Amino acid sequence: QLQLQESGPGLVKPWETLSLTCTVSGGSIATSYYWGWIRQPPGKGLEWIGSIHYSGSTYHSPTLKSRVTISVDTSKNQFSLKLNSVTAADTAVYYCGRDILVFDALDIWGQGTMVTVSP
Amino acid sequence: QSALTQPPSASGSPGQSVTISCTGTSSDVGGYNYVSWYQQYPGKAPKLMIYEVSKRPSGVPDRFSGSKSGNTASLTVSGLQAEDEANYYCSSYAGSNTGVFGGGTKLTVL
Repeated sequence: QLQLQESGPGLVKPWETLSLTCTVSGGSIATSYYWGWIRQPPGKGLEWIGSIHYSGSTYHSPTLKSRVTISVDTSKNQFSLKLNSVTAADTAVYYCGRDILVFDALDIWGQGTMVTVSP
Repeated sequence: QSALTQPPSASGSPGQSVTISCTGTSSDVGGYNYVSWYQQYPGKAPKLMIYEVSKRPSGVPDRFSGSKSGNTASLTVSGLQAEDEANYYCSSYAGSNTGVFGGGTKLTVL
C-alpha cells in the first residue's frame, strides 16, 4: 500500500534553511492527489504549511508563504519542503501527507520527522 | 486565518457517547463542506477519521460520525472504548486553496 516517508536533517541552525523530502512508495506521485506538508510544535496543534500537485501547482499557508518553497520530483517520486530563515518557533515534527484536494482529506500520513532549530 | 475553536478536553465513560465541537466562521467551516477530523495518539501521526463533514474512510468504525450546523462542525463518538482516548483535531478548507486546523481536543475515557 502507499507509504510516505519524511527525511532530512534533525537539527538546523537559526536563520538557515530547513530542507525536507517526502518519498512516496507503493504508488505514483503523479496522480490526481495533492501532497502536503503539516507541522506540529512540541505539545501543540497541527499547522498546515502547504501542498503541491504533481503538475507543479503549489499552495501555501498565508502565514508561512514568504518563507516556504514546495517542489516535486516525479522521476524520484518525491516532493520537498524548504523553509528559510528559521527560528526556534519552527521547531516541530514535520509530516508529509496525501490529500484528496487541497485541504480536503489527508488520508495517508508519513510518520513525521522532528526538526529542532538551535545553534 | 485563525485556528478553528475546539474545547481543550472532553470525556466520557465506556459505552457512552461524546461530542466534540469545532467552531469556525462563514469563511471556513460554514462556507464549505470540507471539514475533516483526525485522531492522534501521542508520538504518532494523525489518522483521518471523518472527511467532507460526515464521510468515513474505509476501516474507521461507524461509532465515529460527523455533522455540521452553520459555522460549527461536530464529531460524535458513540459507544466509547478505551482505545478512543486520543487527541482529536478538526480541519476545514478556508477558500483560496488554503485551510486551517483546530487547536485539538484531548478525549479521555473515564
